[in-house]
Amino acid sequence: QQKVQQSPESLIVPEGAMTSLNCTFSDSASQYFAWYRQHSGKAPKALMSIFSNGEKEEGRFTIHLNKASLHFSLHIRDSQPSDSALYLCAVSQNSNNRIFFGDGTQLVVKP
Amino acid sequence: EAAVTQSPRSKVAVTGGKVTLSCHQTNNHDYMYWYRQDTGHGLRLIHYSYVADSTEKGDIPDGYKASRPSQENFSLILELASLSQTAVYFCASSEGQGNTEVFFGKGTRLTVV
Repeated sequence: QQKVQQSPESLIVPEGAMTSLNCTFSDSASQYFAWYRQHSGKAPKALMSIFSNGEKEEGRFTIHLNKASLHFSLHIRDSQPSDSALYLCAVSQNSNNRIFFGDGTQLVVKP
Repeated sequence: EAAVTQSPRSKVAVTGGKVTLSCHQTNNHDYMYWYRQDTGHGLRLIHYSYVADSTEKGDIPDGYKASRPSQENFSLILELASLSQTAVYFCASSEGQGNTEVFFGKGTRLTVV
């Protein structure tokens, strides 16, 4: 069964900083890699996803994927207090296999 | 936007009582899920379903039953609620099983006393 682990468990950064969140997975055949964001008291919501090695940028957010290292990351440029949330990474092997979520990284961005 | 609606949004139940959490989706998705989230932690899959009248066990099914009477509706049943089942429960749906976005409901906060 796929193992998905996130680090760090929690993180406090100052406003304007670059934030980096990490996710490792165990199945090298995995195809789908995503980040979900959950604000306090709200539902998780997909932030962005990637299917192939490399990076993908959407606004202040960038995903880096390195399948050989079984690792992908989320980088937040110019972090804002509104980015404070629980970030969950998600991985699936293919369209016929379920998605596995990590335990999350709690991010706090201090003004 | 995809819509997943849960009811009730919060509930207090007594130990040993029966609890039913309901979920309705208007996304026309085949897959529906029930996840449990304990404070500040990740999501744990309880049950899921990919077709009406059929359910599958997830990672933590003990103490829970599920029912999928139609494509749109998916219920989670706690026959004998216990203190350890106090948590927030999320229903979700997706078009496929993997490689696709999962859409979550707003959650049900269940407190067992």
